[in-house]
Amino acid sequence: AQSVTQLGSHVSVSEGALVLLRCNYSSSVPPYLFWYVQYPNQGLQLLLKYTSAATLVKGINGFEAEFKKSETSFHLTKPSAHMSDAAEYFCAVIPGGGGNKLTFGTGTQLKVEL
Amino acid sequence: KAGVTQTPRYLIKTRGQQVTLSCSPISGHRSVSWYQQTPGQGLQFLFEYFSETQRNKGNFPGRFSGRQFSNSRSEMNVSTLELGDSALYLCASSLDADAYGYTFGSGTRLTVV
Repeated sequence: AQSVTQLGSHVSVSEGALVLLRCNYSSSVPPYLFWYVQYPNQGLQLLLKYTSAATLVKGINGFEAEFKKSETSFHLTKPSAHMSDAAEYFCAVIPGGGGNKLTFGTGTQLKVEL
Repeated sequence: KAGVTQTPRYLIKTRGQQVTLSCSPISGHRSVSWYQQTPGQGLQFLFEYFSETQRNKGNFPGRFSGRQFSNSRSEMNVSTLELGDSALYLCASSLDADAYGYTFGSGTRLTVV
């Protein structure tokens, strides 16, 4: 079964520092990968998605992620953290070839400190 | 353009009762999916409807059911509520029957007491 693993349930960075949230996937075929953000008492907002086009994917709010097949990774980065980035982030996957069901990672809570 | 609307936002029910949650997708979207989010189990897929047909179902007991109407609005029902059903229920809609273009609603927070 397709799955994703997010390393680190909690990540803390200083404002202005690099944000790096890790996601590894297990898949026998190239999957479709997503990063979502969730603010308290809100739904999920799509940050970016990889659907087998460019391996470096740029998303909203200055986030980007790079698909690395050799490492089965899809880590999320942002060069400079802002206080408003504090939220929970979820990596998700659907199997290669398409589908209509997202499988989510366990989430990473990002804290941004002054 | 209006987003995905879920009603109600908050709900408190007693064990043994049943509950119905509603989801109005983005205009023109034909696929609606439901997810359950709990601290212990995380985000789990419940089911997906496309053009009034259930196309996929997650690993949940039969107490969880849903349906989709001809205008693409969807409802999910949970019967004989248990304390463990307390969760945030998220609805997502997409234009076609795939997850690439999911837009999520803000969710319904169900508390079972």
